[in-house]
Amino acid sequence: AQKITQTQPGMFVQEKEAVTLDCTYDTSDPSYGLFWYKQPSSGEMIFLIYQGSYDQQNATEGRYSLNFQKARKSANLVISASQLGDSAMYFCAMRGEPQSGGSYIPTFGRGTSLIVHP
Amino acid sequence: DAGVIQSPRHEVTEMGQEVTLRCKPISGHDYLFWYRQTMMRGLELLIYFNNNVPIDDSGMPEDRFSAKMPNASFSTLKIQPSEPRDSAVYFCASSRFTGTGRANTGELFFGEGSRLTVL
Repeated sequence: AQKITQTQPGMFVQEKEAVTLDCTYDTSDPSYGLFWYKQPSSGEMIFLIYQGSYDQQNATEGRYSLNFQKARKSANLVISASQLGDSAMYFCAMRGEPQSGGSYIPTFGRGTSLIVHP
Repeated sequence: DAGVIQSPRHEVTEMGQEVTLRCKPISGHDYLFWYRQTMMRGLELLIYFNNNVPIDDSGMPEDRFSAKMPNASFSTLKIQPSEPRDSAVYFCASSRFTGTGRANTGELFFGEGSRLTVL
C-alpha cells in the first residue's frame, strides 16, 4: 500500500522568501511518480510538478522545485521567491506503475496550508 | 483543449433528495476518478473507472452512493437519499494510461469540483 505523509498542517512565509513543504512517502512499488498540486481558495486542483522515481535529477518548474531524496523517501516542494498568490493548500501525491505491479490509484497527503505574508 | 468539466459547480439540496453530479473527462483519457474532499477527511477516493468499467468502488461510503460511466465522455455520481454529512466538494479527475513507464505515472487532471450542501 502507498502512503503519503505531510507533517506540516500550516506554514507561513514572508513574501519573496523561499519555503519548503515536506512530504514523505511509503511504498513497496519498484517505480512510481510523485506529484504536487496546489489548491487555492477558489477550490480547483492545479498540477505543479512531477518527479519520477527513476529520474536522476530533481524536477523543476519555474519557481517550483522538488527536492527528491529517494533513500529517505521524501519529496519536498521548494517554492522560491514566494508571492502572495502562492497562498493555498498544497497536496503531495503519488501513484505506482501498473506494469511493475504498482498501484495506479493515486494516493494524496492531507495537505499543507501555506500563507504568504506581505 | 477543454479540461475536465463538472456540473453543477454548486448544489444546495434538502436531506432526502436525490443528487446527481456529472463529469466529462478529457477526450482520450481512459481513467476516471471520483474524489470527495472534506476538512475532516481530506481527499478521499470514492471510485475509479478504466475504459468505462468500474474497477474499485471500495471508497464509496454507503449504498446511497452510486456511480456510472455509460461512455468514455460522461460519468455520474448519484447520492440517493442525500444526508447532511454528504456535504463536501466532489471532484472528478481523469488521466491517460500510455503503457510506457514514465508517462504511465502521469498526473491527474481535475475538474473544478462540485460543492454540495445538504441541509
